[in-house]
Amino acid sequence: GDSVTQMEGPVTLSEEAFLTINCTYTATGYPSLFWYVQYPGEGLQLLLKATKADDKGSNKGFEATYRKETTSFHLEKGSVQVSDSAVYFCALKAGSNYKLTFGKGTLLTVNP
Amino acid sequence: DGGITQSPKYLFRKEGQNVTLSCEQNLNHDAMYWYRQDPGQGLRLIYYSQIVNDFQKGDIAEGYSVSREKKESFPLTVTSAQKNPTAFYLCASSQRTGASNQPQHFGDGTRLSIL
Repeated sequence: GDSVTQMEGPVTLSEEAFLTINCTYTATGYPSLFWYVQYPGEGLQLLLKATKADDKGSNKGFEATYRKETTSFHLEKGSVQVSDSAVYFCALKAGSNYKLTFGKGTLLTVNP
Repeated sequence: DGGITQSPKYLFRKEGQNVTLSCEQNLNHDAMYWYRQDPGQGLRLIYYSQIVNDFQKGDIAEGYSVSREKKESFPLTVTSAQKNPTAFYLCASSQRTGASNQPQHFGDGTRLSIL
């Protein structure tokens, strides 16, 4: 079955540091890939997505590139801010399957 | 503004009691979903519905029930058969298409606790 593996946290960085959160997946066919962010006490917000190989999703300074050859979709940001502190989820959706398959989430804490 | 509204934000249940969590969307989405979130376990799918009057079990449907009488509404009932109901419950919706590229949009969740 489909699955998503993302790096375990928590990740603690200082403000303006470079961020990478690794995400790899297994899926049948050609899935669409998503990153969601969850701020404390809130629901999930779509951060970015990519729907085919070599696509780069980007939003609010975050980027992720769909790498079919390595089945990866790593999240990066060049300079994190305190306001980026949240839980980040990698997810995939394969074929006509309506189900989103999530990773377990990575807690990011950014200190001033 | 279009979005998904979940209510209440906090809910308390006594042992042996059924409770119903509300989810309403005004995004004109056909598909709706319920997820359960536990610390360190990510999100797990409880039920989903692709169209009105139709729904399917997800990965952890035991002890839960749903209905889909209106396109806008997808209430979740946590029954007394659910032995460990304390969790954060998230409702989501998406366009109903055959393509996989439609994201799901989430509400702000309901936190259920047992008294």
